[in-house]
Amino acid sequence: AQSVSQHNHHVILSEAASLELGCNYSYGGTVNLFWYVQYPGQHLQLLLKYFSGDPLVKGIKGFEAEFIKSKFSFNLRKPSVQWSDTAEYFCAVINRDDKIIFGKGTRLHILP
Amino acid sequence: NAGVTQTPKFRVLKTGQSMTLLCAQDMNHEYMYWYRQDPGMGLRLIHYSVGEGTTAKGEVPDGYNVSRLKKQNFLLGLESAAPSQTSVYFCASRPILAGGSTDTQYFGPGTRLTVL
Repeated sequence: AQSVSQHNHHVILSEAASLELGCNYSYGGTVNLFWYVQYPGQHLQLLLKYFSGDPLVKGIKGFEAEFIKSKFSFNLRKPSVQWSDTAEYFCAVINRDDKIIFGKGTRLHILP
Repeated sequence: NAGVTQTPKFRVLKTGQSMTLLCAQDMNHEYMYWYRQDPGMGLRLIHYSVGEGTTAKGEVPDGYNVSRLKKQNFLLGLESAAPSQTSVYFCASRPILAGGSTDTQYFGPGTRLTVL
């Protein structure tokens, strides 16, 4: 069965530090990949998505992600985090059955 | 557009009671989904629908039923609630674009359900 793995369950950083959250998926065919963010008490919001084309995808709020097909990875990055980036981040993939499978999430805490 | 709305926002049930969660979307999306979110588990797909009158099982369908009688509505039913169904439930919808390509899901605000 297709799966999505997020290796970091809880990350703590200071403001201005650089961020990279790992995401690996198991499906070998054509994939559509997403990163979502969930701020405390809110629903999921789309940060960025990859369907095809340039493997380096830029999203909102300064986030970007790189699709590396050979590594089955779609890691999320931000050069300099802010306190307001404190949230939970979810990687997700659409499989050929049109199901969207989510990773278990990474809780990011930014220290002011 | 209201987007994706969910009713109710909060509910407390006793074990064995039944209830229906309503998801409505006004974006004319074909696909609709029900997820549950539990700490450390991410979002797990309960059931989904690829169009009016169709439903399919997701990862964790047991104890839930769904119906999609109208394109804009997707109902999630709990026939006999259990404490293990205490969770936050999210509905989402997704369009099919011209040419059959796909696009992003849009999420509702969630329903927090507690089963005592």
